[in-house]
Amino acid sequence: GQNIDQPTEMTATEGAIVQINCTYQTSGFNGLFWYQQHAGEAPTFLSYNVLDGLEEKGRFSSFLSRSKGYSYLLLKELQMKDSASYLCAVRDEDSGTYKYIFGTGTRLKVLA
Amino acid sequence: ETGVTQTPRHLVMGMTNKKSLKCEQHLGHNAMYWYKQSAKKPLELMFVYSLEERVENNSVPSRFSPECPNSSHLFLHLHTLQPEDSALYLCACSQYSSGGTEAFFGQGTRLTVV
Repeated sequence: GQNIDQPTEMTATEGAIVQINCTYQTSGFNGLFWYQQHAGEAPTFLSYNVLDGLEEKGRFSSFLSRSKGYSYLLLKELQMKDSASYLCAVRDEDSGTYKYIFGTGTRLKVLA
Repeated sequence: ETGVTQTPRHLVMGMTNKKSLKCEQHLGHNAMYWYKQSAKKPLELMFVYSLEERVENNSVPSRFSPECPNSSHLFLHLHTLQPEDSALYLCACSQYSSGGTEAFFGQGTRLTVV
């Protein structure tokens, strides 16, 4: 089956670094994505990993280990506007059908 | 103009009503998706269309009926819904290939069934 786990909530301080972990189980792995979603808004794409290792994009980095079914999103120099939900998603391929399977999301609160 | 546009943004409907949600994408992608987002639950995949053909129906009740008349438009027709169907309905699009691109989401329709 398909399963994605990530913490429900995290709290961090402005200017700090926070790491949001995601573990997944899927049969047809075809990439891992992180999205940011502010309350009442659409999810917006942050990062994409398909090979093992670290992808860096400004203040955001994402890591993937396919053998461990594990990823994390690292946010540096936190700002108040980073308070949002962060969704881990796996693109799964099954008999030629591609689907994006999402975790429940991690609600991050950034405190002043 | 955003890449994926959904209308209406908010909808309140009675259980006996019939309504439709509309999604339009301007990105030239060939796959479109409907997701349901309820509080404290992961985004639930409802339907997948590739090249206007439905390739996935994720055990969705028949009171939800999708339609994809062309690669730019996707509809979700609603009838005799239940209060538990109240949720945010999100449309997304992507390139449907093994190359793997991100999915782009619309702003969603906040549906309330009364």
